[in-house]
Amino acid sequence: QSVLTQPPSVSAAPGQKVTISCSGSNSNIGNSYVSWYQQLPGTAPKLLIYENSKRPSGIPDRFSGSKSGTSATLGITGLQTGDEADYYCGAWDHSLSAGVFGGGTKLSVL
Amino acid sequence: QVHVQESGPRLVKPSETLSLTCAVSGASISSVGYFWGWIRQPPGRGLEWIGIINHGRATYYSPSLRSRATISVDTSKNQFSLDLRSVIAEDTAIYYCGRHKSGVDWFDPWGQGILVTVSS
Repeated sequence: QSVLTQPPSVSAAPGQKVTISCSGSNSNIGNSYVSWYQQLPGTAPKLLIYENSKRPSGIPDRFSGSKSGTSATLGITGLQTGDEADYYCGAWDHSLSAGVFGGGTKLSVL
Repeated sequence: QVHVQESGPRLVKPSETLSLTCAVSGASISSVGYFWGWIRQPPGRGLEWIGIINHGRATYYSPSLRSRATISVDTSKNQFSLDLRSVIAEDTAIYYCGRHKSGVDWFDPWGQGILVTVSS
């Protein structure tokens, strides 16, 4: 059972938009920055969004992040088949004095 | 460009100690504002945060692994390490190392990962 809660899977057609939610509490998301990671099949995770909504260099603006209260959302527009991957949220948990991840969401582009 | 690379035994016997090293290149492990950490992923499952360390040897560990894990740093070799004691089959996982930004808590970059199997 992960500290941060994500839907196990989401799906959408190419060109469409999808959102992935990440729910936590005041001990983590409510008082911490949220990061998002993309893990393509057979590869290591890669930083996708940091500090709630910032994109590292090289990440297209089709990817966006937002946070409200104790929840965060990853948005992907103009879906491509190459976006099929597992997506994870992460945050610091002040009660645990440690980082935590969500359980991951598998994105299928149908 | 910062690069991190895991190394170590890929097979460990139950009850023994899993020891991994992460070599850092393109940046000093003594960089201010950064920690260096370990994450693992059991086969077919999600990510698990293990712990982080900075050059001053300040550490933070996941409560679930704190009693068995030790992360250390060797500034002379620009590398850091993970020891996980008394391993069991459930410790079988891909182990990743990465650079962690303190205060805002993200990992980048990540190593390619190393699959460690616990089996007799």
